[in-house]
Amino acid sequence: GAVVSQHPSWVICKSGTSVKIECRSLDFQATTMFWYRQFPKQSLMLMATSNEGSKATYEQGVEKDKFLINHASLTLSTLTVTSAHPEDSSFYICSARGLAGVPYEQYFGPGTRLTVT
Amino acid sequence: AQSVTQLDSQVPVFEEAPVELRCNYSSSVSVYLFWYVQYPNQGLQLLLKYLSGSTLVKGINGFEAEFNKSQTSFHLRKPSVHISDTAEYFCAVRNQAGTALIFGKGTTLSVSS
Repeated sequence: GAVVSQHPSWVICKSGTSVKIECRSLDFQATTMFWYRQFPKQSLMLMATSNEGSKATYEQGVEKDKFLINHASLTLSTLTVTSAHPEDSSFYICSARGLAGVPYEQYFGPGTRLTVT
Repeated sequence: AQSVTQLDSQVPVFEEAPVELRCNYSSSVSVYLFWYVQYPNQGLQLLLKYLSGSTLVKGINGFEAEFNKSQTSFHLRKPSVHISDTAEYFCAVRNQAGTALIFGKGTTLSVSS
């Protein structure tokens, strides 16, 4: 089946630093990738949608200058949290949708837990 | 706009008992419906989906769901649960023209012996 990986699985950083999270589709080409944020005991909130080779589309209320998304290839998207603060601590999950196969299904990565101290 | 309501935030059940996790959606257009399961500190795994056709959908791990258009519901059921079914369950909707999934707030299923 389709596999999506995320790296790192968890990261701790100091306030004011930047952190990059990678999302890779391992065995399929992902035309579209999605980034979600999940607070403890809460649902997934869509942050942005990115298509390979074009700028990401951010959801209302998500700061595009703070959460930089790059989708440079059909198998890799990155989310960079710039100048991180403790309130950015969260579980970040990516998902990917492929070119072929089941067009309506998204495949989710295992998530990255970010803790900002 | 679409929305998803999961009517129960927590559902405690005993092992081998049946369970139903409720999900209602609102949308003015045709939608696709999904149920995902999330184990602690992990991503989401697709349990089942409704795209079209038969309203009774069977998924993995013995789960099934029934799409009811008149009641705008997509409840998840399992006739006999196991301890290993303890997890967070999310109902999600996506319209046919859209791309992203809209998730409900989740239901915590706790199975005890």
